[in-house]
Amino acid sequence: EVQLVESGGGLVQPGRSLKLSCAASGFTFSNYYMAWVRQAPKKGLEWVATISTSGSRTYYPDSVKGRFTISRDNAKSSLYLQMNSLKSEDTATYYCARHRTTDWYFDFWGPGTMVTVSS
Amino acid sequence: DIQMTQSPPSLSASLGDKVTITCQASQNINKYIAWYQQKPGKAPRLLIRYTSTLESGTPSRFSGSGSGRDYSFSISNVESEDIASYYCLQYDNLPTFGAGTKLELK
Repeated sequence: EVQLVESGGGLVQPGRSLKLSCAASGFTFSNYYMAWVRQAPKKGLEWVATISTSGSRTYYPDSVKGRFTISRDNAKSSLYLQMNSLKSEDTATYYCARHRTTDWYFDFWGPGTMVTVSS
Repeated sequence: DIQMTQSPPSLSASLGDKVTITCQASQNINKYIAWYQQKPGKAPRLLIRYTSTLESGTPSRFSGSGSGRDYSFSISNVESEDIASYYCLQYDNLPTFGAGTKLELK
């Protein structure tokens, strides 16, 4: 059974940093592109970052480019999101998601971890 | 970036109704659209990919269609378990979601 479990969320002050983790199990992690998707309270879904199978290629929307960094450790079946220079508008539930092997839609999601950026 | 215009933002239906949600892309997305269901406090669940292909476990009352820039998602015979929010996602380019549609019971 595919499982994705996020951790590392919490309350952080504006301008500070936070690193999220996602532990994957139930599939061969190294064979899949992985992503982070976020959802602000009572708002819609926003794709945040994607990383290739080896980690050599990363992709971001303009809203987080230069502030967020996605990475992975295939030996540990783990995905990470380093978030720097956090803003109040980064407040959201952050989901770890798996891309389908040959396509860019997301086929499995974790339950999410909440990040609140506030002083 | 490709923009996805999803409508309506909310929908009220009775049990047994047929409902339809539409998404219009800002450019041709070559049928690369997926549809998700999200219930409160839960992660999204993939229902349909590549416009009309049902994921394993998706009931047959769900369907999708479209081409070019215009796509639709329908639920025939709405059941109580279908009360949720629904999102489209284009993946022809870097992924972008529609704003969502909240389905409520009339």
